[in-house]
Amino acid sequence: IMMTQSPATLSVSPGDRATLSCRASQDIGTNLAWYQQKPGQVPRLLIYGASTRATGFPARFSGSGSGTDFTLTISSLQSEDFAFYYCQQYDHWWTFGPGTKVDIK
Amino acid sequence: EVHLLESGGGLVQPGGSLRLSCSASGFTFSDFAMVWVRQAPGKGLEWVSALSGTGFSSYYADSVKGRFAISRDNSNSTLFLQMSNLGVDDTAVYYCARDTSDFPSEYFQHWGQGTLVTVSS
Repeated sequence: IMMTQSPATLSVSPGDRATLSCRASQDIGTNLAWYQQKPGQVPRLLIYGASTRATGFPARFSGSGSGTDFTLTISSLQSEDFAFYYCQQYDHWWTFGPGTKVDIK
Repeated sequence: EVHLLESGGGLVQPGGSLRLSCSASGFTFSDFAMVWVRQAPGKGLEWVSALSGTGFSSYYADSVKGRFAISRDNSNSTLFLQMSNLGVDDTAVYYCARDTSDFPSEYFQHWGQGTLVTVSS
């Protein structure tokens, strides 16, 4: 299963809303996770089951979607949210998307 | 608290071999499947291999099949990755991570800090 993410880079001002997209090459139901990775750091599980927020992440992060199209929304970007975001399918083995870099506009 | 600590990375020549270890603590190791994920410099994440909690079921990405072997020592809470016939494309930080159950099937909530493997002459 191939995963694509768009855009590759998203430039956002602090306080603005960020919308990241992830698409699977075939139906994966809700077997999708999102990870946040800051430079030089380990990936952190952010969302699983397409929409369940992992421990430690605030409510401004939300995930949605099912089947082949998924979205990660950050409602009001804070300085600590600027990072790379990867989606991962776990419906059939595991495949990561290429990532979206969220940087400061 | 779950803690995963990788070791064994380093510089190796093309065609060489290396064995990575991942020492686990803070949970009952045999109750969880474990995986290796790698990240080439400046690149994204790539799943490499997975192993069930019993150690009986193993899985590999096509890019490493036949060259890498995953194993575990449940009595010492340690995961291994034996890598052979290494190529420059294997250069990456290798992370071990824990699955959510004893069978490899889902997402990875806990990750180690990673160990860097550099394949170069």
